[in-house]
Parts: sequence; structure tokens; C-alpha cells
Amino acid sequence: EAAVTQSPRNKVAVTGGKVTLSCNQTNNHNNMYWYRQDTGHGLRLIHYSYGAGSTEKGDIPDGYKASRPSQENFSLILELATPSQTSVYFCASGDAGPLYFGAGTRLSVL
Amino acid sequence: SQLAEENSWALSVHEGESVTVNCSYKTSITALQWYRQKSGKGPAQLILIRSNEREKRNGRLRATLDTSSQSSSLSITATRCEDTAVYFCATTYAQGLTFGLGTRVSVFP
Repeated sequence: EAAVTQSPRNKVAVTGGKVTLSCNQTNNHNNMYWYRQDTGHGLRLIHYSYGAGSTEKGDIPDGYKASRPSQENFSLILELATPSQTSVYFCASGDAGPLYFGAGTRLSVL
Repeated sequence: SQLAEENSWALSVHEGESVTVNCSYKTSITALQWYRQKSGKGPAQLILIRSNEREKRNGRLRATLDTSSQSSSLSITATRCEDTAVYFCATTYAQGLTFGLGTRVSVFP
């Protein structure tokens, strides 16, 4: 069973603070993705990666960085969090087929 | 703008009835996927239908694809309360998958 684990599940951050969202997959997929989900906007792609050491910008990368230190791990970094980044964030992995999503991280920036 | 989008915000049915979610997309595709997202969970793929296929089934689910009209549908027969979820269509583009905004399907006893 494909598995994608996100941590933390919930996070409250202060404006201007640094936030790191972590994702681990045991699927041995090369590709990993970070999406955010907001009412009225659906799922939007922030960053993605083709493998360890690679990160690429998605559709809405501004204010976010990504890091892929290994095949299994993909992090999303908010260096200076803003209230507009309050959202639910999903990590996914998948190669040329279905994407397997984690359970999401609910982030509130106050 | 969305490259793929469902045609209804929300649909409600009673258990045992059938329901159909429709999707339209804007670019040529190699495949279209349908996902379901239950409350508090991440999306999960239901069906992948390739551009050379017209219909695909998975248990009570049936997906159709019409490349001439750039549309797809997902039908669920004999619905159950546990089918209550948001249903998305998704198409592949250069950077990965793009999702529609979703259709919320509510199944009532």
C-alpha cells in the first residue's frame, strides 16, 4: 500500500515566523508534489520534485521554498509566514499514474 | 484558470440512487483521472481513463471520456452514505496534475 505521511497534521504559526512542513513517502516514487487547498481555488501546485536534490516551481511558488534531501523526504518551507498562507497543504507522490496523497497539514498563520 | 473543471458544485442523492459528476477540460490529454476526497483526508484516485479509451469501470464506478467534446463523466451506481465526498477530475500537464474545483456529492439515507 502506497504511503505518504505528513507532519505535523496541524500547525499554528505567527506572522513572520518560519514554518517547515514535512513529507515522507515509502512508495519509492521519483516525483513528489506540494499542493495547497483552499475553498474556491481547489488544489493548486506549489512546488514539485523529480528526485533527490531537485525542486521545481509549480503554479503558485511565491513565498514558499522546497527541499528534497532524499528520495523519501520532501519539505515545504515558509521562511516568513503570512496570514494568506493559512490553508491545508497536501503532499503527494506518483510517477506516470495516480498521485498518492498524504492526509494533509492544516496551517493557520496568525 | 482551471484546465479541468467539474460542471456542478454539489449534488445530493438518496442511498441506492445513481449520481453522475461531469467534467470538462481545456487541453488535449493523454489521460484523465478521477479522485475522491473524504472529509479530513487527502484525495484518492478512483479511475484513470486514457485518451484512447471511451469507458472504464471500477466496481460501482463508471467513467467515460469524450475527447471530441473534451468532457468526461463519473457515474456511481447504488450509492451508499460512504460515497459522500468531493469528487475531482484531474488532467496531466507539463508540471503534473491539475485538478478541477470538485463536486460535492452528498448521499442521504
